[in-house]
Amino acid sequence: DVKVTQSSRYLVKRTGEKVFLECVQDMDHENMFWYRQDPGLGLRLIYFSYDVKMKEKGDIPEGYSVSREKKERFSLILESASTNQTSMYLCASSLLQGGSEKLFFGSGTQLSVL
Amino acid sequence: GNSVTQMEGPVTLSEEAFLTINCTYTATGYPSLFWYVQYPGEGLQLLLKATKADDKGSNKGFEATYRKETTSFHLEKGSVQVSDSAVYFCALSASSGNTGKLIFGQGTTLQVKP
Repeated sequence: DVKVTQSSRYLVKRTGEKVFLECVQDMDHENMFWYRQDPGLGLRLIYFSYDVKMKEKGDIPEGYSVSREKKERFSLILESASTNQTSMYLCASSLLQGGSEKLFFGSGTQLSVL
Repeated sequence: GNSVTQMEGPVTLSEEAFLTINCTYTATGYPSLFWYVQYPGEGLQLLLKATKADDKGSNKGFEATYRKETTSFHLEKGSVQVSDSAVYFCALSASSGNTGKLIFGQGTTLQVKP
């Protein structure tokens, strides 16, 4: 089975801190994604990556950056955390299957910024 | 732009009741359509998908038919179980090729009571 592992299940940080969320996948997938999930808003794409050292902005990239130094690892960085970044963060990787992609998700990191 | 709209929840049903969760979409071209499910404390999992008009996706007793004329992809199940309690997300992928950029609806919480 494909496994997407996020380093922390719960995280509490203070306003202004630099925050790293780590994600590792074990299936050699090219594509990796970071979404945030908020009640009533569903999932919104923050950043994604097609390949090592490659990144593209999603729909809500402001206040975030990413790093992909190795194929299996995709990190989300909050340069200076703010309270409006309190959310559930979901990492995913994808396999192009039969002409349409299937995403595999991690269990999520619930981040609280105080 | 592309978007997905789901019926608002929560939806509360008794065991063995019939389930419908409505999903409509707006997209240019010919998107692929998906239903993902998120069980408590877990990441999202692909439930079913359809890649072209009139396709029916099915899995675990759930079905959804891609209706281009009504731009809909409603999720149905004939007899729900307590174990179906989860959040259900409708999504579309409007990009062809190796992208994986899914656009999600806001999610619908289903609670099934014994």
